[in-house]
Amino acid sequence: DTEVTQTPKHLVMGMTNKKSLKCEQHMGHRAMYWYKQKAKKPPELMFVYSYEKLSINESVPSRFSPECPNSSLLNLHLHALQPEDSALYLCASSQDERKHNEQFFGPGTRLTVL
Amino acid sequence: AQSVTQLGSHVSVSEGALVLLRCNYSSSVPPYLFWYVQYPNQGLQLLLKYTSAATLVKGINGFEAEFKKSETSFHLTKPSAHMSDAAEYFCAVSGTNAGKSTFGDGTTLTVKP
Repeated sequence: DTEVTQTPKHLVMGMTNKKSLKCEQHMGHRAMYWYKQKAKKPPELMFVYSYEKLSINESVPSRFSPECPNSSLLNLHLHALQPEDSALYLCASSQDERKHNEQFFGPGTRLTVL
Repeated sequence: AQSVTQLGSHVSVSEGALVLLRCNYSSSVPPYLFWYVQYPNQGLQLLLKYTSAATLVKGINGFEAEFKKSETSFHLTKPSAHMSDAAEYFCAVSGTNAGKSTFGDGTTLTVKP
């Protein structure tokens, strides 16, 4: 299984809502990533988890809260978002954050904040 | 520090023509370089990667790239474009921090019939 799955595919939420994005991989990878991608732009790194511990936080606002319950799962909890947070949120995984491995990307969650 | 510059935000070719997408990198350490493709409403998929084993790297779907240290380049080529190659292409580099790839701004490839 070389797939990274993400749910939901689409999400519409108001600025006062709380929602979560989910990501799962069963490749035995020990590094997992959250990216934000605006239209016609490259992915922007948000968070990196390495061996289930937060390794990198790219100064992301606290309204985004990542969680890694186990080595296969990665969540992104959303609260009090702004319309400018509307974007495609991509999850990725790689074998080991300390090595220069390629990243495997999920299909993304298209988030719209009203 | 590391960075990637993709020359040409849009490239248009005819079906059957050569595809050439340009990528120049900057890295303070020997780089690891990647090309990813993104189809509409999908995630990124790895086309190929350079990890210092060989300067000419072959990838999926008939793509290849050549690492040229003297030119700090890693251009992506395909001899004959197919309609299904129309997509967004990203070059990426990882250097001092393996877990932190830096992506170029992307090149949109259009293939005309």
